[in-house]
Amino acid sequence: DAKTTQPNSMESNEEEPVHLPCNHSTISGTDYIHWYRQLPSQGPEYVIHGLTSNVNNRMASLAIAEDRKSSTLILHRATLRDAAVYYCILRAGFQKLVFGTGTRLLVSP
Amino acid sequence: AAGVIQSPRHLIKEKRETATLKCYPIPRHDTVYWYQQGPGQDPQFLISFYEKMQSDKGSIPDRFSAQQFSDYHSELNMSSLELGDSALYFCASTGPGLAGGPTGELFFGEGSRLTVL
Repeated sequence: DAKTTQPNSMESNEEEPVHLPCNHSTISGTDYIHWYRQLPSQGPEYVIHGLTSNVNNRMASLAIAEDRKSSTLILHRATLRDAAVYYCILRAGFQKLVFGTGTRLLVSP
Repeated sequence: AAGVIQSPRHLIKEKRETATLKCYPIPRHDTVYWYQQGPGQDPQFLISFYEKMQSDKGSIPDRFSAQQFSDYHSELNMSSLELGDSALYFCASTGPGLAGGPTGELFFGEGSRLTVL
């Protein structure tokens, strides 16, 4: 499984944008970049995914570097409810999700 | 909308006992995954099923077994329980189709917390 590298933790203030980075220098051409998050005492939940182009949905935006060796999850206005562990995962084809060590996001009021 | 349902939510067992966890996927989802998350750890993949057949296997102990039934629900059976089996067990589903396709979103249940004393 291709590896991703994320900071262990990040802090943000409420209503400010948050940029969560992920490095994946060994990404292959068929790997999709998936982001999931896990709120305290809950199961992981899907956030967003992309292949080459930047993506937007109601939860977040995903900015993918041109060489695809890194990506950034963008939360446009952090809320207290966004405090969670965010996982950047590479997934090829029909493979299972392999969770690495994600980024713990702390949001202060 | 219907979500992934796991039961029981909490389970307490003694060492060497057996436990069975159940997972009911979202309707029309035919792929089910099981993950184990120990205290302070990240979710670890155990096993997955597609159309009632095992589709992938991770670091699942030989003491554990699982299956998917004709109604697509899945059960994880754990025998000879050890203290180290204490964890949150998550089930996830996706579909229709294997893994929900190359970009399939996995939907996770709220987990079953197993405590082994």
